[in-house]
Amino acid sequence: AQSVTQLDSQVPVFEEAPVELRCNYSSSVSVYLFWYVQYPNQGLQLLLKYLSGSTLVKGINGFEAEFNKSQTSFHLRKPSVHISDTAEYFCAVKKGWNQGGKLIFGQGTELSVKP
Amino acid sequence: EAGVTQFPSHSVIEKGQTVTLRCDPISGHDNLYWYRRVMGKEIKFLLHFVKESKQDESGMPNNRFLAERTGGTYSTLKVQPAELEDSGVYFCASSQGDRGVANEKLFFGSGTQLSVL
Repeated sequence: AQSVTQLDSQVPVFEEAPVELRCNYSSSVSVYLFWYVQYPNQGLQLLLKYLSGSTLVKGINGFEAEFNKSQTSFHLRKPSVHISDTAEYFCAVKKGWNQGGKLIFGQGTELSVKP
Repeated sequence: EAGVTQFPSHSVIEKGQTVTLRCDPISGHDNLYWYRRVMGKEIKFLLHFVKESKQDESGMPNNRFLAERTGGTYSTLKVQPAELEDSGVYFCASSQGDRGVANEKLFFGSGTQLSVL
């Protein structure tokens, strides 16, 4: 069965520090990879996605992620975080091009940015 | 443009009662999805509508859950009778018609927090 594992449930960091949110997936087939963010009292928003091509993907708000096929990872990074980045982050995969919006999510990582 | 709207935002009911959640997708979006997050765990797919038809309901937990999408517009998710383990956050998402994996973009609502006591 396919699964997504977010290795940290909570990540506290200080403002302007770098951050990495880790995500590993298991799949016997090629997948499409996504990171979503949920700010308090809002719906999930797409941060970035990997479909094919360059393994380094840049998203909104200065975030980027790197697809590593050999390690089946898709870690999310930001070189300098802001207070406004405090939110919950979800890694997700889609198995196959014909799966539409059917995503398999990880458990989420709460990023807390402190002044 | 209005986003995906869900209501109520919170619902507290007793075990055995019935609850109906509603989702209004973005106008013109053919695809509508329901997801659920239980007890801070992963968000899990429940089902997918294309217009008024159920395309995939493989994630529905059991027959106490009934989803409908009247006329291909808004959707309701009814839980009857509710059990304790049904507590969680129910998310709805919508997207336009078949635009291919490269272009499909999901828009999520802010969810309904359901508490079954």
